[in-house]
Amino acid sequence: QKEVEQNSGPLSVPEGAIASLNCTYSDRVSQSFFWYRQYSGKSPELIMSIYSNGDKEDGRFTAQLNKASQYVSLLIRDSQPSDSATYLCAVTLISSGGSYIPTFGRGTSLIVHP
Amino acid sequence: GAVVSQHPSRVICKSGTSVKIECRSLDFQATTMFWYRQFPKQSLMLMATSNEGSKATYEQGVEKDKFLINHASLTLSTLTVTSAHPEDSSFYICSASVQGLYNSPLHFGNGTRLTVT
Repeated sequence: QKEVEQNSGPLSVPEGAIASLNCTYSDRVSQSFFWYRQYSGKSPELIMSIYSNGDKEDGRFTAQLNKASQYVSLLIRDSQPSDSATYLCAVTLISSGGSYIPTFGRGTSLIVHP
Repeated sequence: GAVVSQHPSRVICKSGTSVKIECRSLDFQATTMFWYRQFPKQSLMLMATSNEGSKATYEQGVEKDKFLINHASLTLSTLTVTSAHPEDSSFYICSASVQGLYNSPLHFGNGTRLTVT
């Protein structure tokens, strides 16, 4: 079964620290990877997208992709209490019928304490 | 850009009634939209893929006769929960991508919180 795996947490970090969120996926042919942030009671919002191996930085966020290890991560530098949310890893998988299916992990709950 | 509008944001209905949820792409055309359901403290569960001009594709375990999906135009998909029961109470979220899913993220509506009494 094609899956996206995340540690549900919670991951607790002090304000100002680096938060590291990890995700593994099972489908080797996946090409598109995304990180979403979801606040309680709200819908997900896109944080980062990454399509090729290596690092991609956007402000305090850095996404890292390693296709050989089927691993994607999100680093949040200088974590703020407002970063406290659930972070969803999403991978575009290919169904048996050949269509692209966006597949989400369970999400990792991040708590940034002052 | 890439705004997805979903209405209503919150609805309370009595058991046995039907509820329609609308999902609109405001500034782009979406040939495909996705409907998710999320129970408290659980992950997003894909219910169905809505394709403009054709029948929706439902995920295993989702009753197509209970969750009616219509995607009549490139900017509007609707989900109707028929004969709703308390166990259907959940957070329903629609999403769409601007380009093909191969290299384009999903943009989400704000969600609809359904409570069935």
